[in-house]
Amino acid sequence: NAGVTQTPKFRILKIGQSMTLQCTQDMNHNYMYWYRQDPGMGLKLIYYSVGAGITDKGEVPNGYNVSRSTTEDFPLRLELAAPSQTSVYFCASSYRGNHGAGGRNEQFFGPGTRLTVL
Amino acid sequence: EDQVTQSPEALRLQEGESSSLNCSYTVSGLRGLFWYRQDPGKGPEFLFTLYSAGEEKEKERLKATLTKKESFLHITAPKPEDSATYLCAVQEETSGSRLTFGEGTQLTVNP
Repeated sequence: NAGVTQTPKFRILKIGQSMTLQCTQDMNHNYMYWYRQDPGMGLKLIYYSVGAGITDKGEVPNGYNVSRSTTEDFPLRLELAAPSQTSVYFCASSYRGNHGAGGRNEQFFGPGTRLTVL
Repeated sequence: EDQVTQSPEALRLQEGESSSLNCSYTVSGLRGLFWYRQDPGKGPEFLFTLYSAGEEKEKERLKATLTKKESFLHITAPKPEDSATYLCAVQEETSGSRLTFGEGTQLTVNP
């Protein structure tokens, strides 16, 4: 299994441009997540999805959009890039875990996309 | 609101010098506490999950413990390859699968 893959690895955008960050997982996980990590900081949740067709906002959703048409893919869309969106973006996935039912719910992360907005 | 605080922010050790990292948390009900390792330029790598106070888990030179208010990551006789940022995250009972991360402890082990 490749696990969680993200493209591109690096990208430079101009203010006002748009782009889509791609995320794919091959572990048949129900849950997928997008985080951003600013220098020296922890991860902040942007959006998450509990299954195909279902998405919800996290802690910092403004300026982003997501869709989940398949179990495997969870793209993140930036419509009007701003310098405040300069960050490293991580996609993650997890089982539909419930510890009480013997499930596992740790999240597995992709390698990240480093985005700079100038 | 869930809060996760990690200390220290940075820690420098000599090879073989054991120490502990701390993660204190405030949640209304803990579903799980997670430890991750993150190398520069890479995504976090899962280490441990702890579910209840008193639980301990070990992996090589690392041992994670959990109380009702905090977790410790003990590093015994560290090696330079243990150098990384260690992230703690909590999953609250009513937050579904979402995690709240601390800001991490940057560990450097000198040979």
